[in-house]
Amino acid sequence: SQELEQSPQSLIVQEGKNLTINCTSSKTLYGLYWYKQKYGEGLIFLMMLQKGGEEKSHEKITAKLDEKKQQSSLHITASQPSHAGIYLCGAVNNAGNMLTFGGGTRLMVKP
Amino acid sequence: DTGVSQDPRHKITKRGQNVTFRCDPISEHNRLYWYRQTLGQGPEFLTYFQNEAQLEKSRLLSDRFSAERPKGSFSTLEIQRTEQGDSAMYLCASSLQGGNQPQHFGDGTRLSIL
Repeated sequence: SQELEQSPQSLIVQEGKNLTINCTSSKTLYGLYWYKQKYGEGLIFLMMLQKGGEEKSHEKITAKLDEKKQQSSLHITASQPSHAGIYLCGAVNNAGNMLTFGGGTRLMVKP
Repeated sequence: DTGVSQDPRHKITKRGQNVTFRCDPISEHNRLYWYRQTLGQGPEFLTYFQNEAQLEKSRLLSDRFSAERPKGSFSTLEIQRTEQGDSAMYLCASSLQGGNQPQHFGDGTRLSIL
């Protein structure tokens, strides 16, 4: 079965700083999703990466998938308190019908 | 709002009782998923439907759990004879069919077993 490991597990940054979250898969990724979750709430879809070397951006968040399709990174530029939450990476299986998630990265942004 | 809707948001019950949760997916989505999330962990897949057919079930889904989607629209997840270990957030998601369609999640039902 596929396993995803996220690092760091938690992160506290000063507002305005950049940060990077990593997601490493035990197997080749068919599709990699990034979600954000606030405590006690559901997951908000951020981005999906499918091709090796692919990079996508949304506002100040950029996600990349490496060429070998086994690692992804999420980079936030000039972090704001609104970026605080839990960031989860999820890998879709080859049938495209279920997601396996990493353990999440808890981000706190200090104003 | 036409997002995924889950009811109730919170459920507190005594051990041994049965509970049922409801999920209303985004209307045009024919796939519906159930996940379970415990504190400090990522969600774990339980089961999914394509229209009314339940096509995949995780080994996590013991015989005390049953999910239905009778008309291919809303779904229910029932847990019989609840146990302490069932305490978790139960998340529902829906998506379109097809390669790498993103799953959109509801806000979940938080279950607490006393």
